Amino acid sequence: SAVISQKPSRDICQRGTSLTIQCQVDSQVTMMFWYRQQPGQSLTLIATANQGSEATYESGFVIDKFPISRPNLTFSTLTVSNMSPEDSSIYLCSVVKSSGLVTDTQYFGPGTRLTVL
Amino acid sequence: KNQVEQSPQSLIILEGKNCTLQCNYTVSPFSNLRWYKQDTGRGPVSLTIMTFSENTKSNGRYTATLDADTKQSSLHITASQLSDSASYICVVRDGGYNKLIFGAGTRLAVHP
Repeated sequence: SAVISQKPSRDICQRGTSLTIQCQVDSQVTMMFWYRQQPGQSLTLIATANQGSEATYESGFVIDKFPISRPNLTFSTLTVSNMSPEDSSIYLCSVVKSSGLVTDTQYFGPGTRLTVL
Repeated sequence: KNQVEQSPQSLIILEGKNCTLQCNYTVSPFSNLRWYKQDTGRGPVSLTIMTFSENTKSNGRYTATLDADTKQSSLHITASQLSDSASYICVVRDGGYNKLIFGAGTRLAVHP
């Protein structure tokens, strides 16, 4: 298994500011992802965090808005830049300790609840 | 378009009763189907993972079924407990792009 912690657990921010969310895993993992979960909705993949290189972003998400770092196999950050109320959401870190199987379990962190005023 | 639809959207049952949650998907090619439990304020936790060749998989009081022909899955909860109150999310892995596609979830409330 993988134990994932996220900081902060929640925050209230003013529009126009930026927030960096940290994701720490208790063991080395192959893959790390960032998701967004808006109220009452399903999870949406923002990007795959790649160690030592630029993240791979999904359609509708761009690096300028959601810069991501992954300096090693256990840590990643997601920054939500120039925030607006529409960015209010839960942001979740997710990891896979891949054995190469498509049935590998994907683990999720507890999430960071962001409110933008 | 690859989609995962769940029903009902929400459900209230009494403690000790059984319930069944439904999931229909249009994901193609299909790789596998997962059920997750998400407690309020927490991240999703994996309950089961099934490939197309598996019809049934159990995890304690949770039993998932899969009909790959009709592209339907169900999650049956037996003898519900108050701690079963959560959102249950059906997730299908797209075998082409190798991405997870999430349903919107069923919010279950178990009352004493």
